Amino acid sequence: SQTIHQWPATLVQPVGSPLSLECTVEGTSNPNLYWYRQAAGRGLQLLFYSVGIGQISSEVPQNLSASRPQDRQFILSSKKLLLSDSGFYLCACSPGNTIYFGEGSWLTVV
Amino acid sequence: GNSVTQMEGPVTLSEEAFLTINCTYTATGYPSLFWYVQYPGEGLQLLLKATKADDKGSNKGFEATYRKETTSFHLEKGSVQVSDSAVYFCALSVWQAGTALIFGKGTTLSVSS
Repeated sequence: SQTIHQWPATLVQPVGSPLSLECTVEGTSNPNLYWYRQAAGRGLQLLFYSVGIGQISSEVPQNLSASRPQDRQFILSSKKLLLSDSGFYLCACSPGNTIYFGEGSWLTVV
Repeated sequence: GNSVTQMEGPVTLSEEAFLTINCTYTATGYPSLFWYVQYPGEGLQLLLKATKADDKGSNKGFEATYRKETTSFHLEKGSVQVSDSAVYFCALSVWQAGTALIFGKGTTLSVSS
């Protein structure tokens, strides 16, 4: 079965600083990969998904970007963080018809 | 379009009470339906799923039946425990290349002893 690793687990970043969240997947090949965000008191928002290396689709226009340099690696980035970027970021993969989530990364922008 | 509507919480129950969390959906095509659970400070875990009409998903005493005629996928458990306290998300997917899950807003369950 697949395992999803996310890091860092928590981070506190100042406004205007860059961001890099990393996600790697084990136990499957050529999965669909996703980044979701869960803001405090709100539901889950799909940010990006990828069906293959270098293929990224964005669901919500914002100052975030995603990249997939390898089959099982998915990176969420920002050049300049905003306060509104604070939240819980979840990486997910679907090797088949079910989506599995990582443990998440807590981001606080101050 | 595709959407999921869940009952708003929080739901507060005593231990051993019966639980129902309502979920209805709107979808084009033939969606698969899911319940995920999120314990405090953790990511989402798949609780159960159903991929076609009349399927019943079950896990850890929870169950939900895919009702196409009422477009519903209500979550039930006969006797809740304190350890069931968490946020529960209903979700659907209509599988195409890259299509991801559409989530409801989540229902917070709090069980007291």
